[in-house]
Amino acid sequence: GAGVSQSPSNKVTEKGKDVELRCDPISGHTALYWYRQRLGQGLEFLIYFQGNSAPDKSGLPSDRFSAERTGESVSTLTIQRTQQEDSAVYLCASSPSSLNYGYTFGSGTRLTVV
Amino acid sequence: RKEVEQDPGPFNVPEGATVAFNCTYSNSASQSFFWYRQDCRKEPKLLMSVYSSGNEDGRFTAQLNRASQYISLLIRDSKLSDSATYLCVVSPEYGQNFVFGPGTRLSVLP
Repeated sequence: GAGVSQSPSNKVTEKGKDVELRCDPISGHTALYWYRQRLGQGLEFLIYFQGNSAPDKSGLPSDRFSAERTGESVSTLTIQRTQQEDSAVYLCASSPSSLNYGYTFGSGTRLTVV
Repeated sequence: RKEVEQDPGPFNVPEGATVAFNCTYSNSASQSFFWYRQDCRKEPKLLMSVYSSGNEDGRFTAQLNRASQYISLLIRDSKLSDSATYLCVVSPEYGQNFVFGPGTRLSVLP
């Protein structure tokens, strides 16, 4: 597709359940990022993948959060044993390798933990 | 000090006004700079890159001052459709993730 695709667009889950969020970046974009945005708050960096380099996981808030990326394609963000404070919009973005290009964001997954 | 700081806002301006947003960054080695806009309950979208020489896109002008580690965005003749949150984005050294400022909310009033 032409843009960054995220699924599902909305997810309601019970506290304690695991969830998996998916991101399909723009074809050819080597860099992929996950951010979290709580209601009315700024973007919170979670994790960054660049090509075949080791991912930058410095933003993951706890060991309940993990992410994988297959080559330069799809990425999944997994949240285990979800808590109510995990409720947020999870945004994925991709960019070409050059720093002169900004990110393109997907429309996000709105996660609600009840 | 936060890596990227912006005017706290919100800015409420009448249609046709000129409004300026300021942004400062702490990492002097930063390489790339952008302004994004984010509409309510939508994802951020790239508005424009910011170049050392300054750049203009229609009613929007971006400036970069590396010595002062300062970025600005000027919107002239503001429209109702300019109402959004404007995010300053800085890319640190190569290979590291972009850093987003907290954003400044703009409301253009009729």
